[in-house]
Amino acid sequence: DAGITQSPRHKVTETGTPVTLRCHQTENHRYMYWYRQDPGHGLRLIHYSYGVKDTDKGEVSDGYSVSRSKTEDFLLTLESATSSQTSVYFCAISGGAGVTYEQYFGPGTRLTVT
Amino acid sequence: SQQGEEDPQALSIQEGENATMNCSYKTSINNLQWYRQNSGRGLVHLILIRSNEREKHSGRLRVTLDTSKKSSSLLITASRAADTASYFCATDFQGAQKLVFGQGTRLTINP
Repeated sequence: DAGITQSPRHKVTETGTPVTLRCHQTENHRYMYWYRQDPGHGLRLIHYSYGVKDTDKGEVSDGYSVSRSKTEDFLLTLESATSSQTSVYFCAISGGAGVTYEQYFGPGTRLTVT
Repeated sequence: SQQGEEDPQALSIQEGENATMNCSYKTSINNLQWYRQNSGRGLVHLILIRSNEREKHSGRLRVTLDTSKKSSSLLITASRAADTASYFCATDFQGAQKLVFGQGTRLTINP
């Protein structure tokens, strides 16, 4: 977790409110990812980024948007939070020196939508 | 879906015994990875095996890959209480930097 931080670590919000989660890395890795983890579903990819301002959708992107204006920051926004978006959100990075496929994960953000 | 599936979903063994977890996937891959997740923490990369490799070792970990059966196994030898965690396999999208994770095996090591 040393080179990846997520903020906030915990958040409780109400249905219909916008929420932004932040992922910050100090490793200068090219690729960044947002996953959600739910019981019975493992980790599912929401969005990922392959460079500054370059993003693409993952498996469960509906209701989420992302932005990456700097190499080190990847933001995940829930435009109007719903109870189904209650989950644990993980950020990950990959693509360090050379061609590497291993991903390194942040500590997670536990989001509760009431 | 290309999602890997781990088997068993949960495994409980005594300290010192070996633990074996299996992963099956659906489409061709370039590599397969195993990750560990301790309770309340992020995933930690354990080992990567490429499609042209059949077996790989790292400390007490041994991973095998059978591309003809689209399956992999993770063996942890001489288990310790600290090995208690969930273990996930992940497959790539044919060279893409995206991974698809299985649902994991929850391993409990009893003292």
